[in-house]
Amino acid sequence: EVQLVESGGGLVKPGESLRLSCAASGFSFSSYSMNWVRQAPGKGLEWVASISGSSTYIWYADSVKGRFTISRDNAKNSLYLQMSSLRVEDTAVYYCARGSSSAYSDYWGQGALVTVSS
Amino acid sequence: QSALTQPPSASGSPGQSVTISCTGTSSDIGAYNYVSWYHQHPGKAPKLLIYEVSKRPSGVPDRFSGSKSGNTASLTVSGLQAEDEADYHCSSYAGRNAVSNILFGGGTRLTVL
Repeated sequence: EVQLVESGGGLVKPGESLRLSCAASGFSFSSYSMNWVRQAPGKGLEWVASISGSSTYIWYADSVKGRFTISRDNAKNSLYLQMSSLRVEDTAVYYCARGSSSAYSDYWGQGALVTVSS
Repeated sequence: QSALTQPPSASGSPGQSVTISCTGTSSDIGAYNYVSWYHQHPGKAPKLLIYEVSKRPSGVPDRFSGSKSGNTASLTVSGLQAEDEADYHCSSYAGRNAVSNILFGGGTRLTVL
């Protein structure tokens, strides 16, 4: 059974940093691209970043480029999102999702809440 | 404002069919057959319903179907059931050079009357 479990969410002040982790199990982690997708309270989904299975290719939404860094450790079956210079508008539930070559996400974690507030 | 446009709400009675639209541009929905649909129950993670415009993952009932015409994609839910009440999100690939490689709509709240 595919499982994705996010951790590391919490309350931070504007300008601070936070690192999210996603532990994957039940599939060959290194064979799949992975995505981070977020959802602000009461809003729709927003793609944040993607990373290929071997970390060769990495893409970011313009809204986070230069502030967020996606990475993975295939030996640990783990995905990460390092978030710096956080803004109030980054407040959201952050989902880790398994990606595909056709840009869809077929499995999602339960989400990690990140709140940026002074 | 979301990149893809969905109606904020839709509704139907049990047993009826409902179609939800998702409008993009010639650079996203119109350019690629990489449209996907998800539903999301309150407090839960999204779940994949449709990928590559009209394909269903195993386990998704055939009551859910997808299509595309030009820059607009559609999701039809036939034989509405109470458990279909949820938020529905469309998504499309927008290319490597886009502001966002993957776009989502703002979501449609489906109410089963």
